[in-house]
Parts: sequence; structure tokens; C-alpha cells
Amino acid sequence: DGGITQSPKYLFRKEGQNVTLSCEQNLNHDAMYWYRQDPGQGLRLIYYSQIVNDFQKGDIAEGYSVSREKKESFPLTVTSAQKNPTAFYLCASTPGTGIAKNIQYFGAGTRLSVL
Amino acid sequence: GQNIDQPTEMTATEGAIVQINCTYQTSGFNGLFWYQQHAGEAPTFLSYNVLDGLEEKGRFSSFLSRSKGYSYLLLKELQMKDSASYLCAVRGSNTGGFKTIFGAGTRLFVKA
Repeated sequence: DGGITQSPKYLFRKEGQNVTLSCEQNLNHDAMYWYRQDPGQGLRLIYYSQIVNDFQKGDIAEGYSVSREKKESFPLTVTSAQKNPTAFYLCASTPGTGIAKNIQYFGAGTRLSVL
Repeated sequence: GQNIDQPTEMTATEGAIVQINCTYQTSGFNGLFWYQQHAGEAPTFLSYNVLDGLEEKGRFSSFLSRSKGYSYLLLKELQMKDSASYLCAVRGSNTGGFKTIFGAGTRLFVKA
């Protein structure tokens, strides 16, 4: 079955540590996104990528980094510069073509906490 | 600025009908989406409106008025499994179509 796989489901970060969240999709979608979800707030866009080897900052990119070396993969690194990383992180993709081109398909999420 | 407003919480009874409203102010408009999100899970797509009017999909319907910056999601014959958060999202047309703004979500509690 096609879908988006995020791992790990839960992640703990120590002070000063960088951690990487994995996002893999087998939907053959060109565009991929990373969102952060905090209680009582809407999803906020961290980074997005329209095609391989290209990505753009979203609204809250500071303290995060991404890469897009393969169409299927869009990992997110939460760096030590992100001082408040505790949140639910969601990866998504969109088909980009057809009637459903802008519908976002989400992974199951990674819940990151600080030790 | 751009923002989306929707009620924080709503409670309804099993078997009843509930309407969740959403108002938006965005720079450009190219579609409004509704997603359902159960606690601790990923959002899943429910409906999409780009033209004014009502879109019906089984027990779920969504309405859009672009001139008023207003949408609602109508859920009929409520079931306990409909207890979830409902996210209203708008795609702006001045961003190449790659940025969607999400509301904070409306938590719906369905009681027996």
C-alpha cells in the first residue's frame, strides 16, 4: 500500500543534541512538507520541497534543516539551535497533478520531547 | 495578515447534526480543505472546495462562500468515532500553490 512513513514515532532529545526525523513516501509525489503541531495551534510549515535537490524555508525554519536527495525521502534535522523543539512533527506530500493535486497526505507523525 | 478562525471545541450528541464554521483571511485563494485528526494521529483529508457552494460526500458536506471568507463542515448522523479535531485549511494562490495555512482545529466531542 502507498503511503508516508515517519520514524521514529517517539524521540527524545538531550540538550545540545541534533536529532533527525525520517520521512519516506512511496506515492511518487513531487512535493513534500514538514509541519510542526503544538497544542492549540494550527500546523506551522517548517520546510517544503517541490522537487529533488530543492527546498524552501517555511514560516518557522530557524533551528531546523532538511535535505531532498531522493524523491522518496525528506528528512528533517532538529538542531541544537532550536530551543523549544518539543512538539508533534508531521510530514506530508501532495500529488501536484490531477484533481487531487493539492490534497495533503500525512505521515503518522513523530512526537519529539526534550530530556 | 493571514489567519483562519474556527471554534476551539464543540459537543454534539450521537445521531445528531453538527456544523463547524471556519472564517479565513488570506492573500489569495485557491481552495479550502477540511481534514479530520484523531488524537495523536495524522490528519486525513475530508473535503475540498474551490468554488462557492456545497460539496456533499456521504455523511460529510462542506460549504464555501469566497466573498464572505467563510466555510462550514456539516456532519450528519453523528457517530462516536467522529470525535476528533477538524482542521480548516486554505491554500493561497500567491505562493505557487505550495503553502497551505491551517487553522488550530475544532475539537468535536460526540456524546451518547
